[in-house]
Amino acid sequence: EPEVTQTPSHQVTQMGQEVILRCVPISNHLYFYWYRQILGQKVEFLVSFYNNEISEKSEIFDDQFSVERPDGSNFTLKIRSTKLEDSAMYFCASTVGGASIGNQPQHFGDGTRLSIL
Amino acid sequence: GDSVTQMEGPVTLSEEAFLTINCTYTATGYPSLFWYVQYPGEGLQLLLKATKADDKGSNKGFEATYRKETTSFHLEKGSVQVSDSAVYFCALSDPNYGQNFVFGPGTRLSVLP
Repeated sequence: EPEVTQTPSHQVTQMGQEVILRCVPISNHLYFYWYRQILGQKVEFLVSFYNNEISEKSEIFDDQFSVERPDGSNFTLKIRSTKLEDSAMYFCASTVGGASIGNQPQHFGDGTRLSIL
Repeated sequence: GDSVTQMEGPVTLSEEAFLTINCTYTATGYPSLFWYVQYPGEGLQLLLKATKADDKGSNKGFEATYRKETTSFHLEKGSVQVSDSAVYFCALSDPNYGQNFVFGPGTRLSVLP
């Protein structure tokens, strides 16, 4: 069964450094998402992306964050200048999309654990 | 805005016990409802879903029924196994609220042999 893959599985970065988290969504999916989960807390929506542009973003997704689909397969999340509070598990998800998108499950990757020192 | 509430964990059960994890939601529209499971060190896996009132989602012995009148989607399993130990997340997708999922806080289940 096709799956969403994320790399790296664990990223350790110094505070203030830029970090790029990578995701390869399922190949025929059109909608892509990033979520984060601070240790022991709930999964929080960051951003959704469709047709090469952001379709929604949460208040968490400030100017330090950006997303990009640099080629036909990768979907990246960049944090420009990391802060200690950015330490979390970051999940990428994708879904096929279309008229019934509200009924469709999102398929999640295994996540990237980001640790800011 | 939309929200999902789950029973506080952790929940500890003996093998073959009956499991209920409560989930209630608040939504402006008519949401679809999902249960996801997160095994240790892994990502979120879809367990089951229901897209309209009175629908029952089921998978791997787990069931949940979409109850519009009580805005609930409680997860049940008749006989849990040690391998069911994980964190369970209730989530909704509200077509009137955009594409993103809203997750509950998660309930950690530990099943003892």
